[in-house]
Amino acid sequence: QKEVEQNSGPLSVPEGAIASLNCTYSDRGSQSFFWYRQYSGKSPELIMFIYSNGDKEDGRFTAQLNKASQYVSLLIRDSQPSDSATYLCAVNMYSGGGADGLTFGKGTHLIIQP
Amino acid sequence: GAVVSQHPSRVICKSGTSVKIECRSLDFQATTMFWYRQFPKQSLMLMATSNEGSKATYEQGVEKDKFLINHASLTLSTLTVTSAHPEDSSFYICSARLGRDPDTQYFGPGTRLTVL
Repeated sequence: QKEVEQNSGPLSVPEGAIASLNCTYSDRGSQSFFWYRQYSGKSPELIMFIYSNGDKEDGRFTAQLNKASQYVSLLIRDSQPSDSATYLCAVNMYSGGGADGLTFGKGTHLIIQP
Repeated sequence: GAVVSQHPSRVICKSGTSVKIECRSLDFQATTMFWYRQFPKQSLMLMATSNEGSKATYEQGVEKDKFLINHASLTLSTLTVTSAHPEDSSFYICSARLGRDPDTQYFGPGTRLTVL
């Protein structure tokens, strides 16, 4: 069973602080890792993707990947109330069989307190 | 940027009827489209992968005779929920892939299906 695990939260963070979101995945062969933001009733919006071990920064967002630990995280610096949403971790568990869509975690509900 | 549309955005139907949902890539040609389903407070679950001009590949547990997928062109894929039942009520979201890399998946706005 290919799984992506996230703490459902809610994770409450004061405005201006760093929000840290975590995700683990089961398939060691996974190649690509994504963080999506989803507002209630809306479809997911891509925040970041990462392929290699280490950190990748884009503005206030930093994705971290550790393939040995099968762990990926997202840091949000200077958190804003508009960052309040559900953050979905997604993994491409491409098996070579042709069906290479994304496997999503259940998401972490993030609340930024003004 | 790449834009994906879905139609309709919301649909309410009676049990036993069939519902067709369209997914269009508006400004690019999509080699592959994906259909996902999301139940309340649950994550997106991949239902099937749709490749233009070939049969869709369904995930384990998804009934291909119930969820008919047609990818007739590089800009249009349709999902037909046949003989819909209340348990099929869900948020259906498609995505379209521009190139070979998985990071180029763009999601549509979703279709909320309610079966009475």
